[in-house]
Amino acid sequence: RKEVEQDPGPFNVPEGATVAFNCTYSNSASQSFFWYRQDCRKEPKLLMSVYSSGNEDGRFTAQLNRASQYISLLIRDSKLSDSATYLCVAGGSSASKIIFGSGTRLSIRP
Amino acid sequence: EAGVAQSPRYKIIEKRQSVAFWCNPISGHATLYWYQQILGQGPKLLIQFQNNGVVDDSQLPKDRFSAERLKGVDSTLKIQPAKLEDSAVYLCASSPRSAGNTEAFFGQGTRLTVV
Repeated sequence: RKEVEQDPGPFNVPEGATVAFNCTYSNSASQSFFWYRQDCRKEPKLLMSVYSSGNEDGRFTAQLNRASQYISLLIRDSKLSDSATYLCVAGGSSASKIIFGSGTRLSIRP
Repeated sequence: EAGVAQSPRYKIIEKRQSVAFWCNPISGHATLYWYQQILGQGPKLLIQFQNNGVVDDSQLPKDRFSAERLKGVDSTLKIQPAKLEDSAVYLCASSPRSAGNTEAFFGQGTRLTVV
């Protein structure tokens, strides 16, 4: 079983739609969770951290369910520029490794 | 603030040849990671350094891959000899040493093609 699992997609949705991604992690000791965004042929960049209480950044909302060991990302009012691959990440303490999921591809159509 | 620097950006070699990649992390970042990203997949951790010590290298193919981080700053990743399946982007990332914060900052990567 992979340490971090994601639906690879692709998700193809119209502009303005709401889209949600889920991710599960296997290591119950994981303490830090993130969503990264990766554009085609570019390096991953941090989109947002995921906190236990859930957090929101503009059109993006991230949630963590420790009991079920899953993380979610919700994108509202999607824009063409949101087209990218979204990588779910689980990590431990400051000295622990950061594990990436395989990514979910999102394509927003006009 | 300067980001993570990697070189070269691109490299094409023949199988069985050797290749080395270089990474300069963000100043002050104690943790350095090397990831391998094959087309269509997520980044796979190869090795993690904390200062100049290895924290995790469980997924590093040690018969052909080696990495070092001298003086706890720059790092090099070497492949010797290369195989066709090593074709991938090799990403270096660094992370500040703060409790509970494992956000990683990535370099632009080195795209390796083995022919």
